[in-house]
Amino acid sequence: QQQVKQSPQSLIVQKGGISIINCAYENTAFDYFPWYQQFPGKGPALLIAIRPDVSEKKEGRFTISFNKSAKQFSLHIMDSQPGDSATYFCAASSQGGSEKLVFGKGTKLTVNP
Amino acid sequence: KAGVTQTPRYLIKTRGQQVTLSCSPISGHRSVSWYQQTPGQGLQFLFEYFSETQRNKGNFPGRFSGRQFSNSRSEMNVSTLELGDSALYLCASSLDYRGTYEKLFFGSGTQLSVL
Repeated sequence: QQQVKQSPQSLIVQKGGISIINCAYENTAFDYFPWYQQFPGKGPALLIAIRPDVSEKKEGRFTISFNKSAKQFSLHIMDSQPGDSATYFCAASSQGGSEKLVFGKGTKLTVNP
Repeated sequence: KAGVTQTPRYLIKTRGQQVTLSCSPISGHRSVSWYQQTPGQGLQFLFEYFSETQRNKGNFPGRFSGRQFSNSRSEMNVSTLELGDSALYLCASSLDYRGTYEKLFFGSGTQLSVL
């Protein structure tokens, strides 16, 4: 049973555009929702994370939007750049991040120049 | 500060063999987690160790095992390799198990190919 569903599988955006990746979860015990960015040949790196007590968190060009009632959260990349081309994973954990992360299957983002 | 180091970077094995992968966490980090990454399944949790004790375990068969040493270095072992074990195996470290998954630092992984 896939606990975190991520879409789309791949995304192509023009430079300067907005990239949006969506995730939906099933387990209401999840209370920590990070996004990871992975470049080819590298391991994932934490990009930004949110807890359900806020509906939005912004760090630079990256924003997480969180909808607790719908059990959905999304990553928005504003002014997308070719250097943002990578695979993005959403994830979820419970007990304040003390339980194992459950990952979505990833979104391969390509930003064309 | 050195990051998470995984060795070897690449491995080629044949079915039925066994393999041992190594992970050195960031200095001072005491929690080490292992993940399997495949194109079809994404990232799947294998197990987590803290202070030489397995604290969490994923849904993988008993052929997958791990251990952690007193210096926090960790190894994972896969016995009787199957073709489906071909994957990128990622190790991640964290300072402590409390809020472990808030600040996970991943290594670059070991790419295992089973022929």
